Amino acid sequence: TQLLEQSPQFLSIQEGENLTVYCNSSSVFSSLQWYRQEPGEGPVLLVTVVTGGEVKKLKRLTFQFGDARKDSSLHITAAQPGDTGLYLCAGRNSGYSTLTFGKGTMLLVSP
Amino acid sequence: DTGVSQDPRHKITKRGQNVTFRCDPISEHNRLYWYRQTLGQGPEFLTYFQNEAQLEKSRLLSDRFSAERPKGSFSTLEIQRTEQGDSAMYLCASSLLRGGLFEQYFGPGTRLTVT
Repeated sequence: TQLLEQSPQFLSIQEGENLTVYCNSSSVFSSLQWYRQEPGEGPVLLVTVVTGGEVKKLKRLTFQFGDARKDSSLHITAAQPGDTGLYLCAGRNSGYSTLTFGKGTMLLVSP
Repeated sequence: DTGVSQDPRHKITKRGQNVTFRCDPISEHNRLYWYRQTLGQGPEFLTYFQNEAQLEKSRLLSDRFSAERPKGSFSTLEIQRTEQGDSAMYLCASSLLRGGLFEQYFGPGTRLTVT
């Protein structure tokens, strides 16, 4: 069973602060996706990373895939209340079609 | 692109009743997935289809659960003889092979409450 551990589980910060959340596994993934989920809604895909060491930017969000493709991080610069939500990472192992999700990091950004 | 849609959004049922959920994927997507999510957890895979063929089922999918995708378009997930432990958000996702990736796009989910 592949496990994805996300940390921290919960993060409460003020608007304008920077933050980083982590996604770690002992398994190698062929690709890893980050989603954001708001209460009562489905996850929304933010980014997919595929290559070890890859860095992708989406406005104020920076995603990095570890060199060994076992871990990933999401850094948010100057967080805004609209960034509030549950951030989920999901990995796909080579040869499998399904995603394994972590439990998520719940981010609360206060004005 | 209207996105993945699910119906109903909310369902309250009594223990022992049967329920059926519907998922309409993004129109050109050939893969369709069902997940279950409980409070404080990430989505857990249940089953997926490529076109009308059900290719994989999780061990989480007990005999009371059945899923169909008869024409390779919409899908239904039925739970028979519901139990309180079935209370969860049921999520549907669809994907299409693009650039070597099957990126999954999720619907809004169906929240099931079994009383």
